[in-house]
Amino acid sequence: LAKTTQPISMDSYEGQEVNITCSHNNIATNDYITWYQQFPSQGPRFIIQGYKTKVTNEVASLFIPADRKSSTLSLPRVSLSDTAVYYCLVGENTDKLIFGTGTRLQVFP
Amino acid sequence: ETGVTQTPRHLVMGMTNKKSLKCEQHLGHNAMYWYKQSAKKPLELMFVYSLEERVENNSVPSRFSPECPNSSHLFLHLHTLQPEDSALYLCASSQDPNPTDTQYFGPGTRLTVL
Repeated sequence: LAKTTQPISMDSYEGQEVNITCSHNNIATNDYITWYQQFPSQGPRFIIQGYKTKVTNEVASLFIPADRKSSTLSLPRVSLSDTAVYYCLVGENTDKLIFGTGTRLQVFP
Repeated sequence: ETGVTQTPRHLVMGMTNKKSLKCEQHLGHNAMYWYKQSAKKPLELMFVYSLEERVENNSVPSRFSPECPNSSHLFLHLHTLQPEDSALYLCASSQDPNPTDTQYFGPGTRLTVL
């Protein structure tokens, strides 16, 4: 099973770029990488998904190296409202849907 | 609003009670999920339904009983729970039960078992 490892927490200041890396050494060939954001007492919210190289949307960018054993979520110019837990998810089949422990991002003014 | 609603938002129950959690999705999706989130633990997938058929049951104790009467509604029936079952229970839906499909989560039900 593809297990993920993320830093437990990160701190940043408003306006800075934040990069959160997720390790998934056992990622399978057909696995996609998905990142979610979760605020306290709320369900996770989809941020971005990718398979390889780089993906960018209006919220974030996702960088995936050629070996796909890790991925980096990049949040440009964070604000206080970006304070949340960020989950890295890797899975091919439903029975392999595994959320990481998450990274708690704290943004300071 | 994600198009997925859950009721109740908060529930306190004793170990001998029977209660049910309700989830409804207004997105026309075919797959629905129940997750459990305990304090300081990863999200745990409990059940997956696709077109009202259960396709996954991740070794969940029988005191949790899911029901999917149609593709828009999902229930989680609770009976004789234990205090360690206290957690945030999240419902989600996606177009199909495929991890490449984006899952849309509800706000969750905060359950406390006394």
